[in-house]
Amino acid sequence: GAVVSQHPSWVICKSGTSVKIECRSLDFQATTMFWYRQFPKQSLMLMATSNEGSKATYEQGVEKDKFLINHASLTLSTLTVTSAHPEDSSFYICSARSLAGATDTQYFGPGTRLTVL
Amino acid sequence: DQQVKQNSPSLSVQEGRISILNCDYTNSMFDYFLWYKKYPAEGPTFLISISSIKDKNEDGRFTVFLNKSAKHLSLHIVPSQPGDSAVYFCAARPFGYSTLTFGKGTMLLVSP
Repeated sequence: GAVVSQHPSWVICKSGTSVKIECRSLDFQATTMFWYRQFPKQSLMLMATSNEGSKATYEQGVEKDKFLINHASLTLSTLTVTSAHPEDSSFYICSARSLAGATDTQYFGPGTRLTVL
Repeated sequence: DQQVKQNSPSLSVQEGRISILNCDYTNSMFDYFLWYKKYPAEGPTFLISISSIKDKNEDGRFTVFLNKSAKHLSLHIVPSQPGDSAVYFCAARPFGYSTLTFGKGTMLLVSP
């Protein structure tokens, strides 16, 4: 149980285009999902917290108009990188919060490698 | 200000021996701690967690110890296996909050 998928697993796009990344909790409902970014040899940096049916909460320094987050259902959150530029190239990882059982744990997707040319 | 610190960037252990990964934290509001394992180009995999009301939690080969007075936790892997080679992240969460704060990770290499 507690499987989270991401699609696509990798994407290459031209500068100026927009890219959408999907995050799905496959076997549980997640009222809260999180989007992280990881730079090489660095820790995971939380970008935003996505709550089903409401606006996302962005961390300081993350541009909400550039990184659009939509959490339309209890199993799906999307991150759209708008007008992508080479500096947006990174590994983007989502997680979904599971409250099943006695634990409150985040389960992560496999990540999406974005390369902007 | 790094609230969760993993001071050892890497650790090498022989197969069959014990691996001990350490984590320190500074925020006294943290009350739930998790360990994740991550392979390159993959998302982190949840390993084990511990609440601040406990000082030990065990799951198979993995045991997490929490020393609240020292604001220190450790992950023990016994016996270590080559497949355990990965980056291990320590994460913490304050009471009532869902967001996690991660350490920078420790790369564990288990050699045959």
